[in-house]
Amino acid sequence: GEDVEQSLFLSVREGDSSVINCTYTDSSSTYLYWYKQEPGAGLQLLTYIFSNMDMKQDQRLTVLLNKKDKHLSLRIADTQTGDSAIYFCAERDSGTYKYIFGTGTRLKVLA
Amino acid sequence: NAGVTQTPKFQVLKTGQSMTLQCAQDMNHNSMYWYRQDPGMGLRLIYYSASEGTTDKGEVPNGYNVSRLNKREFSLRLESAAPSQTSVYFCATHPEGTTQMLYGYTFGSGTRLTVV
Repeated sequence: GEDVEQSLFLSVREGDSSVINCTYTDSSSTYLYWYKQEPGAGLQLLTYIFSNMDMKQDQRLTVLLNKKDKHLSLRIADTQTGDSAIYFCAERDSGTYKYIFGTGTRLKVLA
Repeated sequence: NAGVTQTPKFQVLKTGQSMTLQCAQDMNHNSMYWYRQDPGMGLRLIYYSASEGTTDKGEVPNGYNVSRLNKREFSLRLESAAPSQTSVYFCATHPEGTTQMLYGYTFGSGTRLTVV
């Protein structure tokens, strides 16, 4: 079955860059997503990337996709304390309309 | 404001009690989902409904039932709660169509359930 994996924790200093990594298994996924979950809240869509793209930049966020290795990453430039949250990657199963989420990476930003 | 509304936000149950988690969306979407979130395990799909009148099992359906009451509402019922069902429950929806997949899911704010 499909599986999406992430490391559980990441700690960075304010102002540094953060890189959150994800590996997925469904090579035919069309869309891949990054969600952010702040404490006590639901998940909110941060950004997405089409499977035919290698990179997408959106202000402080850069998404890199390596289809050969089935590896997705999210880089946050100039990380701020407000970026502290859990970040989930997700892929859309190509055979259904269901989304498969990773385990989530808890990002802690140190002042 | 358009979105997904879940009630209640918090609930404590005793083992064996029953309860229903409510979810309503005003986004006019056909698909609705129930997930549970547990530390280190991400989100796991419990049940989903592709359209009004249809429901299907997800990854972890045991101990749960669902009802798609109408296009707006999708409820999750625990008939006999167990401590293993202590979790945060999220309802979600998304639009249909290839060009709309970029919008992903819209989630409710969650129900934090503790079973003692």
